Amino acid sequence: NAGVTQTPKFRVLKTGQSMTLLCAQDMNHEYMYWYRQDPGMGLRLIHYSVGEGTTAKGEVPDGYNVSRLKKQNFLLGLESAAPSQTSVYFCASSDRQGGTEAFFGQGTRLTVV
Amino acid sequence: GNSVTQMEGPVTLSEEAFLTINCTYTATGYPSLFWYVQYPGEGLQLLLKATKADDKGSNKGFEATYRKETTSFHLEKGSVQVSDSAVYFCALSERDRDDKIIFGKGTRLHILP
Repeated sequence: NAGVTQTPKFRVLKTGQSMTLLCAQDMNHEYMYWYRQDPGMGLRLIHYSVGEGTTAKGEVPDGYNVSRLKKQNFLLGLESAAPSQTSVYFCASSDRQGGTEAFFGQGTRLTVV
Repeated sequence: GNSVTQMEGPVTLSEEAFLTINCTYTATGYPSLFWYVQYPGEGLQLLLKATKADDKGSNKGFEATYRKETTSFHLEKGSVQVSDSAVYFCALSERDRDDKIIFGKGTRLHILP
């Protein structure tokens, strides 16, 4: 059972470089989310999607872009990485509105130097 | 907007002690409430949930009751084990508010043998 798969698991970037984090889910979920986790800050929502072709901003969207071209994939892009984007990134998916469990990937640890 | 507040950690207990982790929420409607657990190096996984007032969620000896009158969803366990050491997140989602899942900052629990 794959569930939610994130790639890569680790990455080191230089300031100004770009990269894309990939999230794939095999549960046919409508909703997908990108969070970042920082010490003492809990989980903060970056962007989310309520269906294929749709995206919306979360709590901390600046410096990130997302795309949901296929229902099973949700991509998070950093166009010009900054040290403030050093974090652990989690993708999650859920089936439908309210009361439904979210399933999480294992996380991507990103360091920007 | 919606928010979740949970007690700050870390919480350190001896094995077989009683555990309470407090969680209160702010929401305009009728949210579903969740507790997620994160073990070291892993993503979050659902521990328990409650979808309406007075519901009790339970799993692995943990319990939490949805208290609308006090807007609370405190996590309890009668006798903790070393294997319960993890970070615990309280969360909510609200059916009519595009389903964003809002997390608390997390409480790190450390159980001593």
